[in-house]
Amino acid sequence: AQKVTQAQTEISVVEKEDVTLDCVYETRDTTYYLFWYKQPPSGELVFLIRRNSFDEQNEISGRYSWNFQKSTSSFNFTITASQVVDSAVYFCALSEHQGGSEKLVFGKGTKLTVNP
Amino acid sequence: DAGVIQSPRHEVTEMGQEVTLRCKPISGHDYLFWYRQTMMRGLELLIYFNNNVPIDDSGMPEDRFSAKMPNASFSTLKIQPSEPRDSAVYFCASSTLNRQGRYGYTFGSGTRLTVV
Repeated sequence: AQKVTQAQTEISVVEKEDVTLDCVYETRDTTYYLFWYKQPPSGELVFLIRRNSFDEQNEISGRYSWNFQKSTSSFNFTITASQVVDSAVYFCALSEHQGGSEKLVFGKGTKLTVNP
Repeated sequence: DAGVIQSPRHEVTEMGQEVTLRCKPISGHDYLFWYRQTMMRGLELLIYFNNNVPIDDSGMPEDRFSAKMPNASFSTLKIQPSEPRDSAVYFCASSTLNRQGRYGYTFGSGTRLTVV
């Protein structure tokens, strides 16, 4: 069965600190996709990134970066120079790849609080 | 593009009443998903459709829950009779993988259901 573990339930940092959110996954599929979503206090789920299992290149988008390591089944997310607006719950998710559809299995989420 | 539209945003109902949640997916998306978010269980997939046909309803908790997709632009999730343990945020999402390989997986803003 597929499983996503986000061991950090809550993290609190001071503005401008760097912070890394951990994500470890389990799957027997050779083709799969990994996601990160942000859920701000307003409640919506905001898509951040989707990465397929064949692409282990790290990705950077502004202050966000992702480190995908197949060898350790991890897909960690780093926010550089955190800001108060980054405060949210962040979810890592894994998909079962069935044609064009992707059923997402979510981790429990990490609540990030960035203090001024 | 208006995104995935869910209604109502909030619903408060009495135990035993029927509740209907509605979703309008993004035009052109051929997959539609219903997820439920609770504190205890996190985000979990209830059911998903492909081209209006239910593909996997293994996540539907029990017979009190039913979902339909009568056409490509509308889906409903019905709970009858509702119980307090059904209180949760229900998210609808739609997705597609087009010929250019561009991928979209978008969540609606959710419906917060409270059963008293």
